[in-house]
Amino acid sequence: ETGVTQTPRHLVMGMTNKKSLKCEQHLGHNAMYWYKQSAKKPLELMFVYNFKEQTENNSVPSRFSPECPNSSHLFLHLHTLQPEDSALYLCASSQEGSTDTQYFGPGTRLTVL
Amino acid sequence: AQSVAQPEDQVNVAEGNPLTVKCTYSVSGNPYLFWYVQYPNRGLQFLLKYITGDNLVKGSYGFEAEFNKSQTSFHLKKPSALVSDSALYFCAVRELGNTPLVFGKGTRLSVIA
Repeated sequence: ETGVTQTPRHLVMGMTNKKSLKCEQHLGHNAMYWYKQSAKKPLELMFVYNFKEQTENNSVPSRFSPECPNSSHLFLHLHTLQPEDSALYLCASSQEGSTDTQYFGPGTRLTVL
Repeated sequence: AQSVAQPEDQVNVAEGNPLTVKCTYSVSGNPYLFWYVQYPNRGLQFLLKYITGDNLVKGSYGFEAEFNKSQTSFHLKKPSALVSDSALYFCAVRELGNTPLVFGKGTRLSVIA
């Protein structure tokens, strides 16, 4: 698990706050991902970055804004969230390729009040 | 589009007994199949994958999975369950090319001493 780290591990925020989630990978990968995991639902892919370029945006609301300054770091900026955005947010990384394994961080448990 | 089904929300097994967690998939081409495990308050941990070759794939912690093309299945198995195997298990599938990794909704395995 130390290959992909996420901070903070827990976050409580109000609907008017602005916060950021951080992900860092130490595996030399060139692709990074944000997923949302809600109770009783499959993992939802939110964003994909390959070589720092965003290649996937699965109709995610604009209150979620990703940033990938380099191939090792990925951020998710949050603003004016809704209570239904409360979930576990998982970051993953991989070499880019259909057969390559994605490795996940421990996640950030987000609660929106 | 590819999809994955995990037909059981919950599987209960006695310690020492064999366990099976079921997964079926749907793709238009050749599938690349993955199993992940998630322990409480942790991210997803890679167990094993099938890309090509031998239909029986061996992975971490004594787990294995069998690829069955005619039944479009990739069931996860272990000959003798441990209490520490209790966790949430996810099957995932991807196709060749720039396609996302699609996850099932997960199966909760409970191993009872």
